[in-house]
Amino acid sequence: QVQLVESGGGVVQPGRSLRLSCGASGFKFTNYGMHWVRQAPGRGLEWVAFIWYDGSNQYYADSVKGRFTISRDSSEKTVSLQMNSLTVEDTAVYYCARDRSGGTTMAGFFDYWGQGALVTVSA
Amino acid sequence: EIVLTQSPATLSLSPGERATLSCRASQTVSSYLAWYQQKPGQAPRLLFSDASNRATGIPARFSGSGSGTDFTLTISSLEPEDFAVYYCQQRSNWPPTFGGGTKVEIK
Repeated sequence: QVQLVESGGGVVQPGRSLRLSCGASGFKFTNYGMHWVRQAPGRGLEWVAFIWYDGSNQYYADSVKGRFTISRDSSEKTVSLQMNSLTVEDTAVYYCARDRSGGTTMAGFFDYWGQGALVTVSA
Repeated sequence: EIVLTQSPATLSLSPGERATLSCRASQTVSSYLAWYQQKPGQAPRLLFSDASNRATGIPARFSGSGSGTDFTLTISSLEPEDFAVYYCQQRSNWPPTFGGGTKVEIK
């Protein structure tokens, strides 16, 4: 079965960096684009970033552009989110999620989600 | 950026009752709309994509409809496990955006 497992969350001071990872199993990883979606405590959902199935292109929300970098490692079946210059507004549970469409198209819907990693930015 | 407005914010119903949730887009999204269910402490779960395409394992009591700017998620007869928060999400225009959610609570 499809499984996504995030790691790397924690408490970090404003202005510092943190790297999240998401390990994938149960599907052909190289066929699917992957997203990060976040949820601030008690709030709704916000799409953060997307990387194509082959890593050729990445897209970011304006709120994180220039600070966050999404990447993937096909040999390790992982997708990562490097977060720099963190602010208190970045405090959230970060979910990795699989794009519903496999292959060379992007559905923009999220059919499998990890359990989430909590990132707390606090002095 | 397309804004999705969900109503009502909270729906108080009893098990066995019918739930009707609304999602309205600030501009047309064609049929590029999804619905998710989220329970406390859990990740969201995809219910429908493309407005009415039921995801794997979703019971038939759930139905999705609509196109353009107005969409509806209907739960024909609420089961105890259906009490949760429901989000709509569009992918017609970049970036993908979510509605603010509707909480379905036990009356």
